[in-house]
Amino acid sequence: DTGVSQNPRHKITKRGQNVTFRCDPISEHNRLYWYRQTLGQGPEFLTYFQNEAQLEKSRLLSDRFSAERPKGSFSTLEIQRTEQGDSAMYLCASSLVASGLRGETQYFGPGTRLLVL
Amino acid sequence: AQSVTQLGSHVSVSEGALVLLRCNYSSSVPPYLFWYVQYPNQGLQLLLKYTSAATLVKGINGFEAEFKKSETSFHLTKPSAHMSDAAEYFCAVTSSGTYKYIFGTGTRLKVLA
Repeated sequence: DTGVSQNPRHKITKRGQNVTFRCDPISEHNRLYWYRQTLGQGPEFLTYFQNEAQLEKSRLLSDRFSAERPKGSFSTLEIQRTEQGDSAMYLCASSLVASGLRGETQYFGPGTRLLVL
Repeated sequence: AQSVTQLGSHVSVSEGALVLLRCNYSSSVPPYLFWYVQYPNQGLQLLLKYTSAATLVKGINGFEAEFKKSETSFHLTKPSAHMSDAAEYFCAVTSSGTYKYIFGTGTRLKVLA
């Protein structure tokens, strides 16, 4: 168990560029979450995967954002045409739980800090 | 809709003093409640959670929290603060009806020598 890893840890980009972040969950964890955290705020839910299926998306996730989890393993979060307001820490979390249960413990990665100039 | 409110964005305590971080929740269904800690440049780490078993929950590093339904509270305490407890603490809520976890805005704990 090596924990949740995220790459890159930092990303600086110019407005209008596309960026992609990767999350590798703990092996065999079937749930994966993406959050966004801005300065002075708690994590805000973006989206959730049960295995490879994306089951819920926040209204925060505009059409410029897309997330995938092919084969139910790692996940990618892509932001197209970045805006300065997208600058934030993007956190990934994973968990292992039987189908239908809630309230499980989420294990967080260290995050990817995005700065859009 | 669910929400959590953390009273006090910054809390300072002396080393060895009681730590009390406040969290109030709002939920129309029985909640699951969590406390996470975040150290600089790191992800969140679970301290403890309440999932409808015992109302007094003990976690790691000497922390505990008590679920009080009548007060809609889930305050975090530690009898004696250590310098290593300096970090940001987040309260979170979810329930059986959703996959979303709603986090509070956090409380930054400072421990004074």
